[in-house]
Amino acid sequence: GQSLEQPSEVTAVEGAIVQINCTYQTSGFYGLSWYQQHDGGAPTFLSYNALDGLEETGRFSSFLSRSDSYGYLLLQELQMKDSASYFCAVEDGATNKLIFGTGTLLAVQP
Amino acid sequence: DVKVTQSSRYLVKRTGEKVFLECVQDMDHENMFWYRQDPGLGLRLIYFSYDVKMKEKGDIPEGYSVSREKKERFSLILESASTNQTSMYLCASSSGTSDEQYFGPGTRLTVT
Repeated sequence: GQSLEQPSEVTAVEGAIVQINCTYQTSGFYGLSWYQQHDGGAPTFLSYNALDGLEETGRFSSFLSRSDSYGYLLLQELQMKDSASYFCAVEDGATNKLIFGTGTLLAVQP
Repeated sequence: DVKVTQSSRYLVKRTGEKVFLECVQDMDHENMFWYRQDPGLGLRLIYFSYDVKMKEKGDIPEGYSVSREKKERFSLILESASTNQTSMYLCASSSGTSDEQYFGPGTRLTVT
């Protein structure tokens, strides 16, 4: 079957660094995506990793290890506006559809 | 800017009613998707479509059908709404060459 695991909640303080992990098990794999969703809002795309390694986009970075079926989202210099749910998603190689994790609720405290 | 719009933000229907949820995207995207989002369960794919008049079942298609008569519009149909279909419904679209999905604002459907 296909499954993704990520922590349900993470709490951090403003200015800190937080890492949200995602492990996956899929029958086919093309890449790992991350989406951010603020309360009451629509998910928005943050990053996509198809190859091993670290991709950096401003304060956010995403890492993938295909051999370990593992990835993470790294948020640096946390701001209050980063409080949101973060979803990892894997692209199924056979169908091109996304399989989403259950999401990690990040609470940034002052 | 890609825009995905959904016909309603909030909808209340009675058990047994036929419900139509409409989604329109303005970026000429080939792919369109319908998800439902429930607390603790994340986003689950109901149906998706790669082209006009094409549809594929997702992970939870039971109780739903879809229609894609035009490239920009993808409709989700609940033939006979039930209380367990109370949920947030999210539509998304993507181009054939991109991994990024663009989501609409969602429709919160309550079935009483």
